[in-house]
Amino acid sequence: KAGVTQTPRYLIKTRGQQVTLSCSPISGHRSVSWYQQTPGQGLQFLFEYFSETQRNKGNFPGRFSGRQFSNSRSEMNVSTLELGDSALYLCASSLGRGQGEQFFGPGTRLTVL
Amino acid sequence: DAKTTQPPSMDCAEGRAANLPCNHSTISGNEYVYWYRQIHSQGPQYIIHGLKNNETNEMASLIITEDRKSSTLILPHATLRDTAVYYCIVRVGMNRDDKIIFGKGTRLHILP
Repeated sequence: KAGVTQTPRYLIKTRGQQVTLSCSPISGHRSVSWYQQTPGQGLQFLFEYFSETQRNKGNFPGRFSGRQFSNSRSEMNVSTLELGDSALYLCASSLGRGQGEQFFGPGTRLTVL
Repeated sequence: DAKTTQPPSMDCAEGRAANLPCNHSTISGNEYVYWYRQIHSQGPQYIIHGLKNNETNEMASLIITEDRKSSTLILPHATLRDTAVYYCIVRVGMNRDDKIIFGKGTRLHILP
């Protein structure tokens, strides 16, 4: 069974630009969660999507948004990029909502210059 | 804030058992204990979880104290590939407002 895939793996943007990251969950998994990882803050929860609806949200500004498609694939978008948005963005999928056993993708490394 | 407390780092000799402690003194009756690990530059990997009873799988064993306020992850025969950051988290199985909150974790160094 293929794992969680994320594209692109690496991305360089400049301040003020926007970016869209993509996540394909494991086949059959309906829940997708997104996390931001930085050296200073560690792993922080961004949001969770299930059945195309955002079910849960972390403490991030409205510049961070996401969506989920009918095939469970998910995208997250960050608008008006700031230097502090440089991070590893991780996507995780699970069978259903609230499942603690999440399967993580390799992440997208975003660098904002 | 994370609901768990872990030592920032630990060393273990290769081939020995690695015992990683975790304190979760405010755990609720319906919260599970989960362990993940993250090897450098990779996404976290699920290891094991439990509610009350001790659990064992092909990767590790999880020992939860009777009062559930602490637990220990045991890697029975540590290898160099077990060098990683280990995260202990608690969460309810199914809860609308539930989020996985990762703390700082324990950086485990396996020494050859």
